[in-house]
Amino acid sequence: NAGVTQTPKFRVLKTGQSMTLLCAQDMNHEYMYWYRQDPGMGLRLIHYSVGEGTTAKGEVPDGYNVSRLKKQNFLLGLESAAPSQTSVYFCASSYMVEQYFGPGTRLTVT
Amino acid sequence: KNQVEQSPQSLIILEGKNCTLQCNYTVSPFSNLRWYKQDTGRGPVSLTIMTFSENTKSNGRYTATLDADTKQSSLHITASQLSDSASYICVVSARTSYDKVIFGPGTSLSVIP
Repeated sequence: NAGVTQTPKFRVLKTGQSMTLLCAQDMNHEYMYWYRQDPGMGLRLIHYSVGEGTTAKGEVPDGYNVSRLKKQNFLLGLESAAPSQTSVYFCASSYMVEQYFGPGTRLTVT
Repeated sequence: KNQVEQSPQSLIILEGKNCTLQCNYTVSPFSNLRWYKQDTGRGPVSLTIMTFSENTKSNGRYTATLDADTKQSSLHITASQLSDSASYICVVSARTSYDKVIFGPGTSLSVIP
């Protein structure tokens, strides 16, 4: 099992550009999450999904969109990147309480 | 407001020594508390999970305690190793709510030879 994988690992964007982060899990988990991690702060939930075809907003959803067309994939999109979106993005999936995290994507917006 | 605070912010200890990390929370209604270890450049990995009725849980050299009355938890690391150098994150979940998972800011632990 690969667990939770994320692509890409690193990305540099210019302000106003768009991109999509891909998260994939092979554990057949129903629940998937996107978080961002900023220095000195705890992880904050951006969006989450409780099953294929469903998504919901988390704590900091502005500027992001998500889609869960397949159970194993959860996509995070930035339509018009801003410097405030410079962060490390983590995807996670869960069964019951236990959450399993991907390795992260480091995004820099200049 | 749901919050999770951790102390100290950072800690340096000698290899082989013990240490204790603290977590205070105000999340309500409480469901469970987890401790994660996050190595630099990696995603968090679960160490322990405790529900309301559990006072202590161990995972090898890691022992977590929970006092639900005072809303405090601690993570004790015994006989530290260089590989214990990481950030330790306390996470508290509200009952039956997928989005009410509050992450603490973490304690950065450095174990030096």
